[in-house]
Amino acid sequence: IAGITQAPTSQILAAGRRMTLRCTQDMRHNAMYWYRQDLGLGLRLIHYSNTAGTTGKGEVPDGYSVSRANTDDFPLTLASAVPSQTSVYFCASSEIQGATEAFFGQGTRLTVV
Amino acid sequence: AQSVTQPDIHITVSEGASLELRCNYSYGATPYLFWYVQSPGQGLQLLLKYFSGDTLVQGIKGFEAEFKRSQSSFNLRKPSVHWSDAAEYFCAVGSGGGADGLTFGKGTHLIIQP
Repeated sequence: IAGITQAPTSQILAAGRRMTLRCTQDMRHNAMYWYRQDLGLGLRLIHYSNTAGTTGKGEVPDGYSVSRANTDDFPLTLASAVPSQTSVYFCASSEIQGATEAFFGQGTRLTVV
Repeated sequence: AQSVTQPDIHITVSEGASLELRCNYSYGATPYLFWYVQSPGQGLQLLLKYFSGDTLVQGIKGFEAEFKRSQSSFNLRKPSVHWSDAAEYFCAVGSGGGADGLTFGKGTHLIIQP
């Protein structure tokens, strides 16, 4: 079944540790995104990529990094996790950034303690 | 920068009653507008979208939305809600390929009363 796969589904992480959230899509979409969802704040864009090889910063990029080595994969890395990064993280993709339907993964629930 | 406002954090509607969820956007050019629904513990699913043409758009699950440029609004409606419609609803505005990407509102939590 085509779509977005995120891993892990959930994770408890000690503060200061490094963590990479994985995201893979099989729809050959050009654009990919990482959002964090927090109660009362909706979805906030962390980083995006318009096409393989390019990335950009969203609304809340501090403490996160991304890479886009190929079309399918868009990992999100927390270099040194802090409790404020406790959130649900969603990866998404679309054919064209901001112009076509975005398809979402099921999310990764991350707790930093 | 583009932005989306959903004025209602929570809305409670009786089953069978009509529904309208409000969405106002801010964007300098012609917007690409979307409504998504999120059931508990799930990702987001697209309900409908507007790019151009007829300002009344039909979506899945009996939902529709009307684009009103003069009011910068894109309100979501349903004539008769079902208990299964209880969920979180997000309005989003896209830049149509521009650098601003896809920006979401903070969501409206819909509660259905029996």
